[in-house]
Amino acid sequence: DAKTTQPNSMESNEEEPVHLPCNHSTISGTDYIHWYRQLPSQGPEYVIHGLTSNVNNRMASLAIAEDRKSSTLILHRATLRDAAVYYCILRGMIYNQGGKLIFGQGTELSVKP
Amino acid sequence: KAGVTQTPRYLIKTRGQQVTLSCSPISGHRSVSWYQQTPGQGLQFLFEYFSETQRNKGNFPGRFSGRQFSNSRSEMNVSTLELGDSALYLCATRGGGRFLGVNTEAFFGQGTRLTVV
Repeated sequence: DAKTTQPNSMESNEEEPVHLPCNHSTISGTDYIHWYRQLPSQGPEYVIHGLTSNVNNRMASLAIAEDRKSSTLILHRATLRDAAVYYCILRGMIYNQGGKLIFGQGTELSVKP
Repeated sequence: KAGVTQTPRYLIKTRGQQVTLSCSPISGHRSVSWYQQTPGQGLQFLFEYFSETQRNKGNFPGRFSGRQFSNSRSEMNVSTLELGDSALYLCATRGGGRFLGVNTEAFFGQGTRLTVV
């Protein structure tokens, strides 16, 4: 399974943009890059995913490097509610992988008022 | 639509006992995966069921087992509980077909907090 590397923790100020990096140098051509986050005392929740092009949704943006060996999750204006552990996960087009998600340690984001 | 429901939310058991946890998926979701989360090991994949068949299994001892019913509800069972089994157990469900799942999101329940004393 291809692995991801993320910083253990990051800090942000409220209402400022946050850029959460993820390295995945062994990514294969058919691996999707998914981001999930886990708020305190809750199960993880899906944030965004992409394959090659940058992606935007109501929660965040995903910027994918041209060589796909790294990506960045962008929260445009951090709020206190965005304080969570953010996980970058690769999901490959393998028949048997199905619903299996391989979580790393993630990045713990703290947001200061 | 209703989310993923896990019951019970909290459970305290004694070493040596067994426990059964339940997960009701979002309507129409046929894939149910189970995860164990501990402070030391983080989130670890236990197993996945799709249309009543286990098709993926993580690196856990045979004391951990599961099943899925025809309505896609799933249960996991841990026998002969050990102190180290204390954890948050999460289930995640996913729509899509057997192969298309890599491009779909997983929906997690709030988990069952199991404490073994």
